[in-house]
Amino acid sequence: GQNIDQPTEMTATEGAIVQINCTYQTSGFNGLFWYQQHAGEAPTFLSYNVLDGLEEKGRFSSFLSRSKGYSYLLLKELQMKDSASYLCAVMDSNYQLIWGAGTKLIIKP
Amino acid sequence: ETGVTQTPRHLVMGMTNKKSLKCEQHLGHNAMYWYKQSAKKPLELMFVYSLEERVENNSVPSRFSPECPNSSHLFLHLHTLQPEDSALYLCASSQKRTGANVLTFGAGSRLTVL
Repeated sequence: GQNIDQPTEMTATEGAIVQINCTYQTSGFNGLFWYQQHAGEAPTFLSYNVLDGLEEKGRFSSFLSRSKGYSYLLLKELQMKDSASYLCAVMDSNYQLIWGAGTKLIIKP
Repeated sequence: ETGVTQTPRHLVMGMTNKKSLKCEQHLGHNAMYWYKQSAKKPLELMFVYSLEERVENNSVPSRFSPECPNSSHLFLHLHTLQPEDSALYLCASSQKRTGANVLTFGAGSRLTVL
């Protein structure tokens, strides 16, 4: 079966760096997405990786290793507003999105 | 209005009621989706409409009935639901293509079935 694994919950301190990991086993691979979802709000697109390596977008970076079935989302200079759930999703060979259960990130002052 | 708008934001219904969820997108996208989001579970894709034609129906019980009258509007008709159907129902739209098919989500309709 197809599976996406990510930690259920993480805690980090304001101003610090946190890395949220995502591992996947899917039927084929056509890209990996990260979305952010604040409580009671819509998920919003953060990043898309289809080739190996690091994609940087301001304070957020996303890394992909296709050979290891692994990605991470790196958040730097954490702010209280970064408290949210982070959803990892992989597009399989049929261009279907397979979703992880999300990682709830709690930022403490 | 911009983006994807869902109404109502909250809905409480009994098991014998009939209600509908509405979704509207103002992005000119050609595909619309219904997802179910339950606590600590992955998003579950329910239905996909592309160019107003239903292209996916992921074994969803018949008590959920989608309707897509045009490319901007999507409905989810609900009848004789069960308590386990209580969840957040998310609508999304995208410009469907291969590669980076980025979804734009609405804020969701929180459904409670008593």
